[in-house]
Amino acid sequence: EVQVVESGGGLVQPGGSLRLSCAASGFTFSSYWMHWVRQAPGKGLVWVSQINPDASGSSYADSVKGRFTISRDNAKNTLYLQMNSLSAEDTAVYYCARDGGSYSADYWGQGTLVTVSS
Amino acid sequence: QSALTQPRSVSGSPGQSVTISCTGTSSDVGGYNYVSWYQHQPGKAPKFMIYDVSKRPSGVPDRFSGSKSGNTASLTISGLQAEDDADYYCCSYAGSYTWVFGGGTKLTVL
Repeated sequence: EVQVVESGGGLVQPGGSLRLSCAASGFTFSSYWMHWVRQAPGKGLVWVSQINPDASGSSYADSVKGRFTISRDNAKNTLYLQMNSLSAEDTAVYYCARDGGSYSADYWGQGTLVTVSS
Repeated sequence: QSALTQPRSVSGSPGQSVTISCTGTSSDVGGYNYVSWYQHQPGKAPKFMIYDVSKRPSGVPDRFSGSKSGNTASLTISGLQAEDDADYYCCSYAGSYTWVFGGGTKLTVL
């Protein structure tokens, strides 16, 4: 069974940093593009970042470019999101998702909540 | 990277059909046949419903169908059932390996 499970969320002060993890199982992780998508409280889904299977390429939404870094460890079947210079606008549930091809996400995790507040 | 435009809410009675629109630009929806749709219920992981504008993943009922005309994509749900009550999001490839989601539509099954 395909599973992706996020962790690492929590409360962080403005200007702080946090690293999210996403543990993948049930599929050959090293063969898939992976994504992070977030949802602020009461708002819609917003695409954040993606990374290719061998970690040689990645892309970001303008709102996080230069502050967030996506990475992966294929030996550990784990996806990461390093978030720096956090602000209240980054408060959201962060979802990890597998790219099923055709620029679509076929499996999603339950999300991990990041709250940026003093 | 402006969000795609969806109606905030739609509603219908069991058995009826509803259509949710998703309007973008020639740089996203209109430029690629890579529109997908997701169902999201509170506290659950989003569920993959449609890809490549109109294709259904295995396990998705054929009551769900997608289409596109110009810069607007649409999701139609026929034979509404109580379990269809959820938020629905469209998503489009937007070039340069970026994606853009719609603002979401709350479907209420009356």
